[in-house]
Amino acid sequence: DAEITQSPRHKITETGRQVTLACHQTWNHNNMFWYRQDLGHGLRLIHYSYGVQDTNKGEVSDGYSVSRSNTEDLPLTLESAASSQTSVYFCASSEGLGFEQFFGPGTRLTVL
Amino acid sequence: AQSVSQHNHHVILSEAASLELGCNYSYGGTVNLFWYVQYPGQHLQLLLKYFSGDPLVKGIKGFEAEFIKSKFSFNLRKPSVQWSDTAEYFCAVRVGSTLGRLYFGRGTQLTVWP
Repeated sequence: DAEITQSPRHKITETGRQVTLACHQTWNHNNMFWYRQDLGHGLRLIHYSYGVQDTNKGEVSDGYSVSRSNTEDLPLTLESAASSQTSVYFCASSEGLGFEQFFGPGTRLTVL
Repeated sequence: AQSVSQHNHHVILSEAASLELGCNYSYGGTVNLFWYVQYPGQHLQLLLKYFSGDPLVKGIKGFEAEFIKSKFSFNLRKPSVQWSDTAEYFCAVRVGSTLGRLYFGRGTQLTVWP
């Protein structure tokens, strides 16, 4: 069955380190999204991509970057991790503009 | 900026009680509307969605929602909740001009006591 996976599921890192969170989907969806989930804020969009070589900033993109070199993967990089980036990160994908988004299981990141 | 408001942050009910969770959005154009559910420790799953047509949509597990365009609302309902409905519920909106990205509300935590 097609699915969307994220790795690692849990990560503890130190302030200032570079961290990359992986997202891989086997649906062959063009659209991929990264959200962070924080108590009281719901889900906020970090970056998104509508296809290979396409990336766009969301509402909370500062300190994060993404790259899309193939259809299946959209890795999220924290250039220099900060304690404010402690959160749960969800990746999602959708087939097209008129379709629902499917979510991955999430990565819980702690920055000490 | 677009915004999605969920009025209740935490709702506590007994089993068999009726549920209504409010959701309002700020965009006046064409919208697609979604309710997602997140069970403890799990990822978000789609409960139901509205794209067009009948404003009363039915989803999984006995949930339904009504789109009222004049009120910019998309409230979620269930006539009789179960303990297994304990979860966090998110309303999300896709506006016509933003090519697929979703705007989420802050979520409502539902706790159902057996």
